[in-house]
Amino acid sequence: SAVISQKPSRDICQRGTSLTIQCQVDSQVTMMFWYRQQPGQSLTLIATANQGSEATYESGFVIDKFPISRPNLTFSTLTVSNMSPEDSSIYLCSAGGPLPYGYTFGSGTRLTVV
Amino acid sequence: GEDVEQSLFLSVREGDSSVINCTYTDSSSTYLYWYKQEPGAGLQLLTYIFSNMDMKQDQRLTVLLNKKDKHLSLRIADTQTGDSAIYFCADPHSGNTPLVFGKGTRLSVIA
Repeated sequence: SAVISQKPSRDICQRGTSLTIQCQVDSQVTMMFWYRQQPGQSLTLIATANQGSEATYESGFVIDKFPISRPNLTFSTLTVSNMSPEDSSIYLCSAGGPLPYGYTFGSGTRLTVV
Repeated sequence: GEDVEQSLFLSVREGDSSVINCTYTDSSSTYLYWYKQEPGAGLQLLTYIFSNMDMKQDQRLTVLLNKKDKHLSLRIADTQTGDSAIYFCADPHSGNTPLVFGKGTRLSVIA
């Protein structure tokens, strides 16, 4: 199964600024997914990123706030724009792949907005 | 849409068995997964079960699947303090669709 390197692992940011989170996969994967995990909560899907096309966003998430890039089959970024304290969460990327071992996760980015 | 439900908390004594339960709604699932998340960490695939199986055993872990009732359980034998974590069941549909997660069960192991 693919191994994902996600960075930064954590950051503290000022409100109104933006942060870009990067995920590098050690093999080519068709689909990547971005999740948000608020404190004590489960994972909520933000968007699905397919290489060569625009990301597909879930209800409640918009491209202006969470722009995603997927320039090739091994890399994706998620930007959290114009941050507010409500954006404080863990953000995780995931790669889809052949079952059963296909799904792997980055180690997460713990974001605190002050 | 797909829904996955779990109980939120479980507390057991060290050495006892833990049983974490999950129900799901998608009858077309090929595999069902259990993930473990330790504090401050990402998700680790713990085990999975193929949908045509009733049971899978992997060392201290036993997964039971009742496809008729759409019920999945994870049993951890001889639970240790290192097993304290949040456990998520997840349904993938296929390898190109996002996992649908339950809310997670927080397992606390009392020494």
